[in-house]
Amino acid sequence: KNEVEQSPQNLTAQEGEFITINCSYSVGISALHWLQQHPGGGIVSLFMLSSGKKKHGRLIATINIQEKHSSLHITASHPRDSAVYICAVRGLRTGNQFYFGTGTSLTVIP
Amino acid sequence: NAGVTQTPKFRILKIGQSMTLQCTQDMNHNYMYWYRQDPGMGLKLIYYSVGAGITDKGEVPNGYNVSRSTTEDFPLRLELAAPSQTSVYFCASRGGLGRSYEQYFGPGTRLTVT
Repeated sequence: KNEVEQSPQNLTAQEGEFITINCSYSVGISALHWLQQHPGGGIVSLFMLSSGKKKHGRLIATINIQEKHSSLHITASHPRDSAVYICAVRGLRTGNQFYFGTGTSLTVIP
Repeated sequence: NAGVTQTPKFRILKIGQSMTLQCTQDMNHNYMYWYRQDPGMGLKLIYYSVGAGITDKGEVPNGYNVSRSTTEDFPLRLELAAPSQTSVYFCASRGGLGRSYEQYFGPGTRLTVT
C-alpha cells in the first residue's frame, strides 16, 4: 500500500470548470507538497503546506491534518492547466525523505 | 540562478555499460535528491544527501551510487546498466536545516537501457 494515494487518476474537464484533486496519506507528516508536472516532463512546486489553506491565483490547496487529507482546487480551469498534479509528503519518521503519489493527469478541453 | 541542472537530457545505454548522470544546483541548498519516475508510478527516492560528504540510501538504491564532494554537485552513477533501470531520473534540491522548504527539480534525464 502506498503511503500517499491520489484521486482521481485521470480527469477531463471543460474550460471554466472547477476542479478538485484529492490526496490522502497514511503517515504522520511535517509538510505536504503539491507539484505540477508539465507535458514536457518538468516538475515545479505549487504549494507547501502543513495546516490550513493556501491560494496562488486560481489554485487553492487545503489540508486537514486530523483526517490526513489534502485537496487541490483549480477555479476557472484553462487548457494551460493540463498537466499531471502530484501530491508529496515529508514524513515525520522518515526525516529528509518524501513520499509521492502517482499523480492525477488533468486535461482541460477548450 | 540556473536552479537545478541535469545532464544529459537523453541517453541510450547498452546492457552492462556504465554512466554518470550529472546534477548541479546553484542555490546553496544543503539537501539534494535523486528520484526515478516509471510510468504509472510515483517518484521513488534512489539516494539523498543532507550536505557535502553525507549521502544516504532511499527506497531503491540497488544498482546506483552517489557522491557529494561539494554542495553544488550530486552525481548519480549507474554501474552495469540493466533494462530495469530504464526510467526518467530527476534530481532535486531544497534548502533549510531540518525545515520543510520546497523542493526544486531539474528537467530530468530520460534513460533507456537496451
